[in-house]
Amino acid sequence: LAKTTQPISMDSYEGQEVNITCSHNNIATNDYITWYQQFPSQGPRFIIQGYKTKVTNEVASLFIPADRKSSTLSLPRVSLSDTAVYYCLVADNNAGNMLTFGGGTRLMVKP
Amino acid sequence: GAVVSQHPSRVICKSGTSVKIECRSLDFQATTMFWYRQFPKQSLMLMATSNEGSKATYEQGVEKDKFLINHASLTLSTLTVTSAHPEDSSFYICSATLSSGESEQFFGPGTRLTVL
Repeated sequence: LAKTTQPISMDSYEGQEVNITCSHNNIATNDYITWYQQFPSQGPRFIIQGYKTKVTNEVASLFIPADRKSSTLSLPRVSLSDTAVYYCLVADNNAGNMLTFGGGTRLMVKP
Repeated sequence: GAVVSQHPSRVICKSGTSVKIECRSLDFQATTMFWYRQFPKQSLMLMATSNEGSKATYEQGVEKDKFLINHASLTLSTLTVTSAHPEDSSFYICSATLSSGESEQFFGPGTRLTVL
């Protein structure tokens, strides 16, 4: 049973806001939600992490409803360089805990 | 801070040879390091969890005798692909977590292995 479900791909245009939603119906009480970005032939890069409600940093916002069964990564005003694969992961927030990567969402930003 | 490096970044070898990949945490100590494998257009698959000073824990289906992992220090873990074959060609990525207890994993840049 997959821990997370995301759309396989999304297309957008430069300057638009992009929202990628992830379903995690079986999220556990101790699980945090983390999003990573991966460019081709590079390791994943941490974007944002949250437990509930809303988290915002300099690159993205993360919206988590009260039931925590889903989350939405919001990228404001995307540029061509945001073309990448975005992974949503849920995991217990303890050091040394393994991460299970789902399929990810391949975002294509067009000019 | 929290930089993880891998060496080499790219390696091409003949079938039957062994290849060692190094994963280093450059500016922090990492009690736990993870090794992933990623085939083209696919997601990352966890191969093993490596704890400093102890044997690695391998995921189901990963042969421990083929993928030797050594985590001899808090800043270095190595993955050796023994007797590599073309089907072992993949992108190998390591990650590390801080010994301080934070959960964020920091990923290395990956190593592209091509076995001819």
